[in-house]
Amino acid sequence: EVQLVESGGGLVQPGGSLRLSCAASGFTFSDHYMDWVRQAPGKGLEWVGRTRNKANSYTTEYAASVKGRFTISRDDSKSSLYLQLNSLKTEDTAVYYCARSGSYSGFHYWGQGTLVTVSS
Amino acid sequence: DIQMTQSPSTLSAFVGDRVTITCRASQSISSRLAWYQQKPGKAPKVVIYEASSLESGVPSRFSGSGSGTEFTLTISSLQPDDFATYYCQQCHSYPITFGQGTRLEIK
Repeated sequence: EVQLVESGGGLVQPGGSLRLSCAASGFTFSDHYMDWVRQAPGKGLEWVGRTRNKANSYTTEYAASVKGRFTISRDDSKSSLYLQLNSLKTEDTAVYYCARSGSYSGFHYWGQGTLVTVSS
Repeated sequence: DIQMTQSPSTLSAFVGDRVTITCRASQSISSRLAWYQQKPGKAPKVVIYEASSLESGVPSRFSGSGSGTEFTLTISSLQPDDFATYYCQQCHSYPITFGQGTRLEIK
């Protein structure tokens, strides 16, 4: 059974940093592209970014709203995905989900999400 | 960026009704579109991918159609479990974008 479990969320002040983790199991993590998606309270879904697999050199893509502030990384030996959030703004407050992507076919598996609250 | 526009934003319907949600892309995305169902406090769940392919385990009352810029999600006979928010998503180019969502309510 595919499982994705996020952790690392919490309350952080504006300008602060946080690192989110996503532990994967039930599939060959190294084969897959992985994404982060967020959802602000009461709002819609917003794609954050993607890391490709080793075969595609672990290259990354980011939404313009987070580029230069957020960094996606992965450790295939630990079947783990990470999101480093720097220079946080109040508008980054959201539930952050990791998702396993199917290239052009959408996100077939999602974690339960972890809440990041940016507030003074 | 490709803009995804869903209509309607809110839809009220009865159990047993047939409903259709529309998603329009600001430029052609071929068939690279997915539909998600989300219930309060839960992660989204894919119901349709590649515009018309039914995700494994999803009831056959869900169907998707379209290509290019116009897509539809149809639920043939609404069941109580179907009342949720639905999002479309384009997987054609970066940045990946979602529609604003359609809230499906019980009438």
